[in-house]
Amino acid sequence: KAGVTQTPRYLIKTRGQQVTLSCSPISGHRSVSWYQQTPGQGLQFLFEYFSETQRNKGNFPGRFSGRQFSNSRSEMNVSTLELGDSALYLCASSFRESRPYEQFFGPGTRLTVL
Amino acid sequence: AQSVTQLGSHVSVSEGALVLLRCNYSSSVPPYLFWYVQYPNQGLQLLLKYTTGATLVKGINGFEAEFKKSETSFHLTKPSAHMSDAAEYFCAVRENTGNQFYFGTGTSLTVIP
Repeated sequence: KAGVTQTPRYLIKTRGQQVTLSCSPISGHRSVSWYQQTPGQGLQFLFEYFSETQRNKGNFPGRFSGRQFSNSRSEMNVSTLELGDSALYLCASSFRESRPYEQFFGPGTRLTVL
Repeated sequence: AQSVTQLGSHVSVSEGALVLLRCNYSSSVPPYLFWYVQYPNQGLQLLLKYTTGATLVKGINGFEAEFKKSETSFHLTKPSAHMSDAAEYFCAVRENTGNQFYFGTGTSLTVIP
């Protein structure tokens, strides 16, 4: 069974631009969560989508948004990029309401904002 | 909201020595508990988990962890460190309703030859 895939793996953008990251969950998983990982802040939860609806949201500004499609694939968008948005963005998928309960992580998208 | 505390952001051990990485959580109701490992430029990989049942759980690569409700702890151990164990380790908690995960800040393990 294929794992969680994230595209692109690397991105370089400049301040003020916007970016869209994509995540394809493991087949059968309907929950997709997004995390921002930085050396100073560790793993910070962005949001979770389940059945095309946002179920949980972390403490991030409105510049960070996401959506989920009917095939469970998810995208996250960051508008008006700031230098501090440089991070590894991780996507994780799970069943949500049945075993196994763990989240399965993709390899991440490394975003660099110049 | 839950909080997860990992004592020691950096731990160094000699090859062959015991590995002990500490994790405490804040919930009064036993949650689901996980340890993940992250190698450079990769995502997180599940090492082991506790959901119900036996409180001593065994994972991959010789790691194990014990859930101690009275101490609200879920420390990770390995009897003998190997060079390939050098990585970042994250403890995570999931409440047994909903799907919100809470991660600790991570512990970077260095193995000294």
